[in-house]
Amino acid sequence: NAGVMQNPRHLVRRRGQEARLRCSPMKGHSHVYWYRQLPEEGLKFMVYLQKENIIDESGMPKERFSAEFPKEGPSILRIQQVVRGDSAAYFCASSPGQEETQYFGPGTRLLVL
Amino acid sequence: GDSVTQMEGPVTLSEEAFLTINCTYTATGYPSLFWYVQYPGEGLQLLLKATKADDKGSNKGFEATYRKETTSFHLEKGSVQVSDSAVYFCALSESRDDKIIFGKGTRLHILP
Repeated sequence: NAGVMQNPRHLVRRRGQEARLRCSPMKGHSHVYWYRQLPEEGLKFMVYLQKENIIDESGMPKERFSAEFPKEGPSILRIQQVVRGDSAAYFCASSPGQEETQYFGPGTRLLVL
Repeated sequence: GDSVTQMEGPVTLSEEAFLTINCTYTATGYPSLFWYVQYPGEGLQLLLKATKADDKGSNKGFEATYRKETTSFHLEKGSVQVSDSAVYFCALSESRDDKIIFGKGTRLHILP
């Protein structure tokens, strides 16, 4: 059973461009979570999604950030008009249900020049 | 709100030394507690967890006991190895929602 997959592993963008990060959950998992890790910091929750639904987006910045988890395909975290402060590692986790263990992917390291 | 505080690093030890990484938490309910480990360039791996008071989580020689009276979940290992060098995160999750709240992490260096 393959683990949580994220791509790309590394992404470089210039200020003002869009960043699109993908997450494929483990087989059988229908719950996806996105976290952001700033340099030398712990992970901070951003958003929790189930298929076609956003359950909790209390950690998402109000502007420029959006997330989706369509019926088919991976979950996408989209950052529009990136700024240098968006440079971070973005981790996706998945679980088979509520209150179940979350399994983390290897992360996408975004660098904004 | 809920929070996790863990000892700052880096922690540097010699191989076979005893390890303790302190972790305390603040929560309004009855959270589950976790230790995650992050090896260089990789994602987080669940190391161990405990879901209720006095539970002991253990894995790969690491242990942590859920202490409700002191709101602590300290990580211990009797004899560390060079391969244990990593960043360790203490974390909690309340049953009312699924978000995990992490501490800032403790970087551990083990010298041969």
